[in-house]
Amino acid sequence: DAGITQSPRYKITETGRQVTLMCHQTWSHSYMFWYRQDLGHGLRLIYYSAAADITDKGEVPDGYVVSRSKTENFPLTLESATRSQTSVYFCASSESRQTANYGYTFGSGTRLTVV
Amino acid sequence: DAKTTQPPSMDCAEGRAANLPCNHSTISGNEYVYWYRQIHSQGPQYIIHGLKNNETNEMASLIITEDRKSSTLILPHATLRDTAVYYCIVRPHNQAGTALIFGKGTTLSVSS
Repeated sequence: DAGITQSPRYKITETGRQVTLMCHQTWSHSYMFWYRQDLGHGLRLIYYSAAADITDKGEVPDGYVVSRSKTENFPLTLESATRSQTSVYFCASSESRQTANYGYTFGSGTRLTVV
Repeated sequence: DAKTTQPPSMDCAEGRAANLPCNHSTISGNEYVYWYRQIHSQGPQYIIHGLKNNETNEMASLIITEDRKSSTLILPHATLRDTAVYYCIVRPHNQAGTALIFGKGTTLSVSS
């Protein structure tokens, strides 16, 4: 089905473990984004990507790694998870064509708990 | 920091119009006003955007003042399902990769 999907929906991991959150979109949107959402902080941008093999840091990139080898996928990796990374993670994508409204489409989120 | 100011919360009776204000006094000439909403536990959802003219779509209307320093999102007939956090965001329109910066938004509670 067309859309943007995140997996897993829920994940519990231990401190120090590596964990990867997946994001897949079927529209061939150029831009993709990762946000985290915590109580009291709202949505904060972690990383974003303008195209395959082009990524850039957002507001809170420390502790995260991203890659974009294919346009449709934008995985987010926590190399050594910490409890402060317990959060809800949202992936989003956006078109780049001039006729587009440049609105973002968000996935349903991944709720990550680090114990 | 977000370049918009919104009231933290508002209440609305079901069936009535919900008018959500937003101040963006430092908006630049090339920046559009975007509105998103986030229903509990879901990802944010695009509602509408505009530059200086009033806009309407199937979800809502957007009224932007002539000086563009403020705007109002109008949900003409609010339902219980419109209960959500509403975000007003300003961003250059011709920069698709410019990240959306979310503030704290307005929590709209619609009650019967």
